[in-house]
Amino acid sequence: AQSVTQPDIHITVSEGASLELRCNYSYGATPYLFWYVQSPGQGLQLLLKYFSGDTLVQGIKGFEAEFKRSQSSFNLRKPSVHWSDAAEYFCAVAPGNAGNNRKLIWGLGTSLAVNP
Amino acid sequence: EAGVTQFPSHSVIEKGQTVTLRCDPISGHDNLYWYRRVMGKEIKFLLHFVKESKQDESGMPNNRFLAERTGGTYSTLKVQPAELEDSGVYFCASSRGAETQYFGPGTRLLVL
Repeated sequence: AQSVTQPDIHITVSEGASLELRCNYSYGATPYLFWYVQSPGQGLQLLLKYFSGDTLVQGIKGFEAEFKRSQSSFNLRKPSVHWSDAAEYFCAVAPGNAGNNRKLIWGLGTSLAVNP
Repeated sequence: EAGVTQFPSHSVIEKGQTVTLRCDPISGHDNLYWYRRVMGKEIKFLLHFVKESKQDESGMPNNRFLAERTGGTYSTLKVQPAELEDSGVYFCASSRGAETQYFGPGTRLLVL
């Protein structure tokens, strides 16, 4: 069955520290990969996406993610965390070759807290 | 360009009542999706419209849920009668093509 695993439910980092949020997926074909963020009281905002090509993708707010096919992973990274990055982060996948069927399959999310 | 909007932002109803959620997609986006997040669980797909047609409704939990998209613009999701397990956050998303989905702020539904 298709699934997305975010092993860390909650992470706390200090402001200025580096961050890596893990995402592993189980999928038959090469999927499209996404990271979304939900800040308190806000909706889901797209951080970055991978469809094909360069496996290191840059997103908004200084985030990047690397697709590793051999590990079925799409980990999200940021070199220096800001207090405003405190939010919930979701990894999601969609079929890469299913025509117009792009329903997203989601991980449980990782809640990030940032200490001053 | 206005984003995806959802109404209401919050709804508290009693078990057995009816609730209708509304989603207005980004103008020009033919694809409209509904998702739901129940507390402690992952976000789950409910259904997908292409214009006014239901492309995929495999995620609809049961026949108490009815989604419509008349005219291919806004969409409604009606829950009738609501049960306790329907509580959660209902997200709507839209996309122009088949790739990136843009999400609304969600409707937080609490069934008492």
